[in-house]
Amino acid sequence: DVKVTQSSRYLVKRTGEKVFLECVQDMDHENMFWYRQDPGLGLRLIYFSYDVKMKEKGDIPEGYSVSREKKERFSLILESASTNQTSMYLCASRPSGRATYEQYFGPGTRLTVT
Amino acid sequence: AQSVTQPDIHITVSEGASLELRCNYSYGATPYLFWYVQSPGQGLQLLLKYFSGDTLVQGIKGFEAEFKRSQSSFNLRKPSVHWSDAAEYFCAVGPEEGNKLVFGAGTILRVKS
Repeated sequence: DVKVTQSSRYLVKRTGEKVFLECVQDMDHENMFWYRQDPGLGLRLIYFSYDVKMKEKGDIPEGYSVSREKKERFSLILESASTNQTSMYLCASRPSGRATYEQYFGPGTRLTVT
Repeated sequence: AQSVTQPDIHITVSEGASLELRCNYSYGATPYLFWYVQSPGQGLQLLLKYFSGDTLVQGIKGFEAEFKRSQSSFNLRKPSVHWSDAAEYFCAVGPEEGNKLVFGAGTILRVKS
């Protein structure tokens, strides 16, 4: 089974702190994604990566950056956390070359910024 | 741009009753369609998917969905709901720009005993 893990289930940070959210997948997937989930808005794509050191902006990249130094790990960085970044963050991965486009999700990190 | 509409934000059904969750999409070509379920505090789990062939697809946990191209719909159904089905359900369509999925806003299902 594909396993996607996220470093924390719950995180509380203060305004202005630098925050790192880590995601690791164990199935050698090329593609990895970071989403933000808010009530009534569904999942919105922040960034995605289709290869090591490659990244693409999603629909809401402002205030976020990402890092992918190894194939299995994709990090989301909040350079200076703000209260409007309080949300559930979901990481996903999928392989290239399989035309089903199914994504596999981690359990999520619920981030609260105070 | 592609889009997904889930018209019902909340749905409440009695245990044992049938269920239908609606999903309408906008997509320029033949879509790949998905239903995911999210139990409280958890990530998303794939229930079923459609990308070709039979328009009625079966998934896990007794769910099924029917692709209707003429109506741009992919509604999720279950004949008899169990209390453990209480969760949030997301419909998704893709691919967008070769790699991405577009998700609907979700439908929260409550099951009353």
